[in-house]
Amino acid sequence: EAQVTQNPRYLITVTGKKLTVTCSQNMNHEYMSWYRQDPGLGLRQIYYSMNVEVTDKGDVPEGYKVSRKEKRNFPLILESPSPNQTSLYFCASSFRVVSGPGANVLTFGAGSRLTVL
Amino acid sequence: AQSVTQLGSHVSVSEGALVLLRCNYSSSVPPYLFWYVQYPNQGLQLLLKYTSAATLVKGINGFEAEFKKSETSFHLTKPSAHMSDAAEYFCAVRESNTGNQFYFGTGTSLTVIP
Repeated sequence: EAQVTQNPRYLITVTGKKLTVTCSQNMNHEYMSWYRQDPGLGLRQIYYSMNVEVTDKGDVPEGYKVSRKEKRNFPLILESPSPNQTSLYFCASSFRVVSGPGANVLTFGAGSRLTVL
Repeated sequence: AQSVTQLGSHVSVSEGALVLLRCNYSSSVPPYLFWYVQYPNQGLQLLLKYTSAATLVKGINGFEAEFKKSETSFHLTKPSAHMSDAAEYFCAVRESNTGNQFYFGTGTSLTVIP
């Protein structure tokens, strides 16, 4: 089954304790991205990657890091989490091409709910 | 940067009534436009997309949306609401010239009243 898998789905942690949220896709997508969803703010892009070893900042990158060493994986790293990073996080992927039936369509993971105390 | 405006963070309709969820975008260059739906405790699923073909786009579950360039709008409609349509709906834009970023609206929560 074509899917984006995120882990963990739920996590409660404390301020300053480094954590990584993993994201893996099995669709050979070039494009991967991370979003956070907060009430009243919708989804905001944190980082995105156009391909292996190519990453770029989205609209809210502060406090986050990413890496893209393999095409299928795009982990989100919080080096020193703070309470304002409490949120629902989504990983998504798509083909990079902008035309054709499958182009431009983001496939989302089920989400990771993070609480930072 | 693009901006996407969804008018009405909460919309309530009676079962069987018309559903109208509004979306306006800011780009001067027609972008790629999408509607996604999020059911409780789930990720987002694609409802429909506009990619510069027909301006009236049909999606899943009876939803459709019309691209109006003059109004920079992409409103989502469904003629008859069903209880199962209760969810959060997001309008999204992807720039057609770079295609690097998606921009999402703040979402509209749809309640269907029996």
